[in-house]
This record gives sequence, C-alpha cells and structure tokens, in this order.
Amino acid sequence: DIQMTQSPSSLSASVGDRVTITCQASQDISNYLNWYQQKPGKAPKLLIYDASNLETGVPSRFSGSGSGTDFTFTISSLQPEDIATYYCQQYDNLFTFGPGTKVDIK
Amino acid sequence: QVQLVQSGAEVKKPGASVKVSCKASGYTFTSYGISWVRQAPGQGLEWMGWISAYNGNTNYAQKLQGRVTMTTDTSTSTAYMELRSLRSDDTAVYYCARDYSYYDSRLFDYWGQGTLVTVSS
Repeated sequence: DIQMTQSPSSLSASVGDRVTITCQASQDISNYLNWYQQKPGKAPKLLIYDASNLETGVPSRFSGSGSGTDFTFTISSLQPEDIATYYCQQYDNLFTFGPGTKVDIK
Repeated sequence: QVQLVQSGAEVKKPGASVKVSCKASGYTFTSYGISWVRQAPGQGLEWMGWISAYNGNTNYAQKLQGRVTMTTDTSTSTAYMELRSLRSDDTAVYYCARDYSYYDSRLFDYWGQGTLVTVSS
C-alpha cells in the first residue's frame, strides 16, 4: 500500500499570508496526486488534480506542484474563506488520502 | 447540474448491516464510476472502494474486503454501499463521489452530502 504523509498537521496564518503544505508519498507516484479542501460539516471539494492542474472554478490563489514522492500545495494569499482542512490523495495504486492539514486564521 | 444525493442517517447495532444509497443526476450515470469514502468523527478521509457504473466492476479497500459490497441500479442512476458486521469503529460519515477517469487522470469531482452511520448498542 502507498502511504501518504502531510506536514504540518495544522497551521495558523494571517489573512494575506502565503501558506504552503507538503505531501509525501511512500513511493514514486509520478503526478498521480490530487488536493481537496474540506470545510467543517461539508463534503470535500476538489481543488487541484494531477498535482498541478487547477479544477475549473477554483480561485487562482491555489496551486500545486511536485512529482515522484514530494508535492506542495500553496495558497498564495490566505483568505478567511480558506479556513478548512486540506487533504492530498494519491491514485497511482487505488486511492490513499493524506492525514490532512488544518488551516486557520491567526 | 451534477448532483449526488445520499440517503439519511442510520443508527445500527453492532453486528448489523447498513445500506447507503447515492442517487445521481445531471450526467450520464454509466459514463463514470462511484467511489465511497468514509470519515470517522474528527478523523481523516478513508477510501472504501469503487464501482464502475458502466459494467459493475468493483475494487474494494483491502481492510474492508468481505464486509463491503457496492452495487448500482442503472435504471434509477443509484449507487449503493452495504457494510456488514458493523462495529463501533465503523461509526462515520459515509460519502459517495463521482469517480472521473480520463486517460491517466483520476479524480473525485462531485460528492454527495454524506450519510452519518452510528454503530451503538
């Protein structure tokens, strides 16, 4: 099974800050990685697919990069509505989600 | 517009079974798969399995093999997930998601609203 790790597990940042989350796979998954946002009490929402492609309708302040085992998710300018937990997901071999990163406002 | 509408909350006793439905609308049901994902209280997301709405092929997470069955009814565009021999650690919100596969891409682009299943004696 492919294991996914994320760091940090939580972070606090100010509105307008640049926020970066990392995701690491236990083996090479090429670019077979997606990022989801989940707000409390809501279903997850797809933000980034294939490691770096922005889903239609998602604000351009969200971006992703990486390949192989190391991936990065960035919010270029944190907004209050971005308060959520963010999950990476590999689909190289079935599916595995990372443990999540909770983002809130300082 | 694409919608996935799930059945309502359930309370079950340990050892019982639960069957959650997910009714799709707004797209050609048989052109996509459905994945099921669960989330225990305060925990992360766990992929449970996938079913092709085209031919009924399935792929289940190893830890649930033997306890889970996923089916579809193409006449009503509805997917079902049945989990048997329920335990307290099966208490979770269960989500269905449209599983979109295109060349090498694979993603969950639409999600149901979630169904809370509580297992308690």
